[in-house]
This record gives sequence, structure tokens and C-alpha cells, in this order.
Amino acid sequence: EPEVTQTPSHQVTQMGQEVILRCVPISNHLYFYWYRQILGQKVEFLVSFYNNEISEKSEIFDDQFSVERPDGSNFTLKIRSTKLEDSAMYFCASPRAPNSPLHFGNGTRLTVT
Amino acid sequence: GESVGLHLPTLSVQEGDNSIINCAYSNSASDYFIWYKQESGKGPQFIIDIRSNMDKRQGQRVTVLLNKTVKHLSLQIAATQPGDSAVYFCAETLLNAGNNRKLIWGLGTSLAVNP
Repeated sequence: EPEVTQTPSHQVTQMGQEVILRCVPISNHLYFYWYRQILGQKVEFLVSFYNNEISEKSEIFDDQFSVERPDGSNFTLKIRSTKLEDSAMYFCASPRAPNSPLHFGNGTRLTVT
Repeated sequence: GESVGLHLPTLSVQEGDNSIINCAYSNSASDYFIWYKQESGKGPQFIIDIRSNMDKRQGQRVTVLLNKTVKHLSLQIAATQPGDSAVYFCAETLLNAGNNRKLIWGLGTSLAVNP
């Protein structure tokens, strides 16, 4: 089982709806990342989050996206008004230590219809 | 520009043979490199990493080689097994000012192991 847990495993939503993807990263770590992978394409960086703040974001991560850490363990990615092109696998990742490899969850498959 | 529906390079090997998967990275300032394995329906799984001050690192059945001169990375899998069938990604990172490591991913290579 992965050390990073993501829920749900599959989310189907209608275009224009809001979705919240959840992640429980490796405990006691301050760095969290969201990546996405459109079917058949590269894994793409979305955002990194450190000490309750966004530390870096990509051009994909526009105003429709937000990240939060609502409590001490959960880490969420919200898409306010989904578009068809948001359909992808979304992966949460965190390292065990600051300079160690990222460990990924099994992802949430988001399907926007 | 962006490509849609990229066709992954595919490597097909016989069970028991050695596999070599290659990757070219883009940034000469990258100081840390990682190989990930992704099985269908799962997230990327860490295999092995190497820092830029090394040119070779060995793990269990896997070896990573780094050639900084030509910005090339390879993953060697010894005695390939059916369970090694997956897509393999290389990723490069650089330590930016905020101690934040953003991974830059390669395209991926699909490894198929024939029994």
C-alpha cells in the first residue's frame, strides 16, 4: 500500500461543477505536491505546498485551482468549475525527508463529462 | 507546442534478459535524478535515484547511470521479470531557492516482458 493515500479513487463530474480531491500524505511532512497526468501524456507538475503556503505553481494551476490543508493531516486540491480538459489522473506526493524522493499516491481519476 | 496522445517508446524483452531504458534530460543545472515505475492504474513508484555528484548507483537488480556531459540517464534492469512490465519515467529536479523540488518528467518508456 502506498504511504500517500488519495480519495476518491475515481470521480465523475459534470462540466462546471466543483470537485475536491483529497490526500493524506506521509505524516509529519511539510512538503506536498500535486501532479496530474492526462491519459497517454506526461506527468505534469501543478503545485507545491510548504508550511501551509503555495511555494510554486505551474501555468496549469490557474484561478480555477486551489489547495488547502484544512486540518493537520489532510491536503486538498479543489477545482472550482471543471472543464472537459481537466479530465486526468491527479496525484498527490510528498517526500519522507526534505531531500528525499517523492512518494506518490495511487491517484484520483477525474472524469469530466 | 503540446502534443496530444503521445505514443510512448516501447521496449520489448524476453524474461530473464537485461533491459536498458534511456532518458535524455533537459537542464544541465539539475542536481538530482529519479526513476519511477508506473503500473496500470497506480501512481508512480520510486525505483532508484542518483545525485549529480555520482555517475553510477546500484540497487537490487537495478542500476542507474548518469552521463552529465551529454545529459543522459539510463536504467538497467537485470534478469527482467514479468512483474517489471510497466511504464518507466525518469525525472530531473533542481533545488530552487525555496528548497522546493519540482520534478520535471520525461515522456516515459513502456517495458513489455515476454514470458
